[in-house]
Amino acid sequence: GAVVSQHPSWVICKSGTSVKIECRSLDFQATTMFWYRQFPKQSLMLMATSNEGSKATYEQGVEKDKFLINHASLTLSTLTVTSAHPEDSSFYICSARAPSGRGSNEQFFGPGTRLTVL
Amino acid sequence: GENVEQHPSTLSVQEGDSAVIKCTYSDSASNYFPWYKQELGKRPQLIIDIRSNVGEKKDQRIAVTLNKTAKHFSLHITETQPEDSAVYFCAASRNDYKLSFGAGTTVTVRA
Repeated sequence: GAVVSQHPSWVICKSGTSVKIECRSLDFQATTMFWYRQFPKQSLMLMATSNEGSKATYEQGVEKDKFLINHASLTLSTLTVTSAHPEDSSFYICSARAPSGRGSNEQFFGPGTRLTVL
Repeated sequence: GENVEQHPSTLSVQEGDSAVIKCTYSDSASNYFPWYKQELGKRPQLIIDIRSNVGEKKDQRIAVTLNKTAKHFSLHITETQPEDSAVYFCAASRNDYKLSFGAGTTVTVRA
């Protein structure tokens, strides 16, 4: 149980285009999901917290108008990178908080999406 | 915000030896400390976690210790095997569940 999927697993796009990444909790409802970005040989950096039915909260330095997050259902959060540029190329990973009744601090990670902007 | 420091950045051990990775955190309100193993291009995998009301936890060859007073926690891997080679991250979170990650330790187990 507690499986999180992401789609697509990788994407290549041209500079200036927008890319949408989906994060789904497959076998549980996730009221809270998180989006991370990981550059090569670096750590995971939290970008934003996605709460079902409300606006996402962004970490300092993350542009909310560039990284649009929508959490319209209890099993789906989407991250849209708008007007992508080469410096946005990175590994984007989502996670979902464990369902209640289970160690609620635990997060389950998606497999990640490799974004390459040409 | 929370600042998590992790050392060493790289660690090479002989197969069968032990590996120890240390982390410190800054926010005394942090109460959850997970450790993740990440292989290249893959998702982080939780290998062990500890909460602030516990000082030590062990799961087979893996153990974690927590010193709340000093605000540091450590990962211990005994009897290392080649498949333990990966990047390991420590992390800390408070009741807001946001994880702050350490910089990572690349562990290489030499056969």
